[in-house]
Amino acid sequence: SQTIHQWPATLVQPVGSPLSLECTVEGTSNPNLYWYRQAAGRGLQLLFYSVGIGQISSEVPQNLSASRPQDRQFILSSKKLLLSDSGFYLCAWSGSVGHGIQYFGAGTRLSVL
Amino acid sequence: TQLLEQSPQFLSIQEGENLTVYCNSSSVFSSLQWYRQEPGEGPVLLVTVVTGGEVKKLKRLTFQFGDARKDSSLHITAAQPGDTGLYLCAGAKAGTALIFGKGTTLSVSS
Repeated sequence: SQTIHQWPATLVQPVGSPLSLECTVEGTSNPNLYWYRQAAGRGLQLLFYSVGIGQISSEVPQNLSASRPQDRQFILSSKKLLLSDSGFYLCAWSGSVGHGIQYFGAGTRLSVL
Repeated sequence: TQLLEQSPQFLSIQEGENLTVYCNSSSVFSSLQWYRQEPGEGPVLLVTVVTGGEVKKLKRLTFQFGDARKDSSLHITAAQPGDTGLYLCAGAKAGTALIFGKGTTLSVSS
């Protein structure tokens, strides 16, 4: 069966510090991978998605970047965090873009202070 | 532009009541999905509807896809405290990632 791992679960970082959130998927090959940010109790804002190694699509201009160094690994990064980067970050995977069912990780709660 | 409008945004009801959550759009979707999310966790898929007019039932939950595939509804019969959570609809269009609504926060008290 397929599983998705996302870590860390909680992160507190000072303004201006770098960020690296990692997501890995097991049990499937060539998944589509996604990073979302969610405001408290609200919908999901798509940040990045990837249909293959090294292929990254950015949906919203951000202080963030994403990379996919391996087929089942997706990394969300920032060189210098802003206060506005605080939020709940979710990684997800699907079998195809547009039609796929998305399976989500447990999320990372990021607080930038 | 918000392509998927969910209503209501918040819903607070007593155990045993019925409720309906709506997901509307001016766009046509190839399929529509409903998720439930509990605090501090990722969303979990409840159902996918694909055919216009399709109705799917999951225990006390009934999901319907509009005939024109532009809207959907989720009806819960005899709500229970365990139904509490954030309900999200998401529409699929060819060549794009899923488009999510802003969610409906449901609170069921005993």
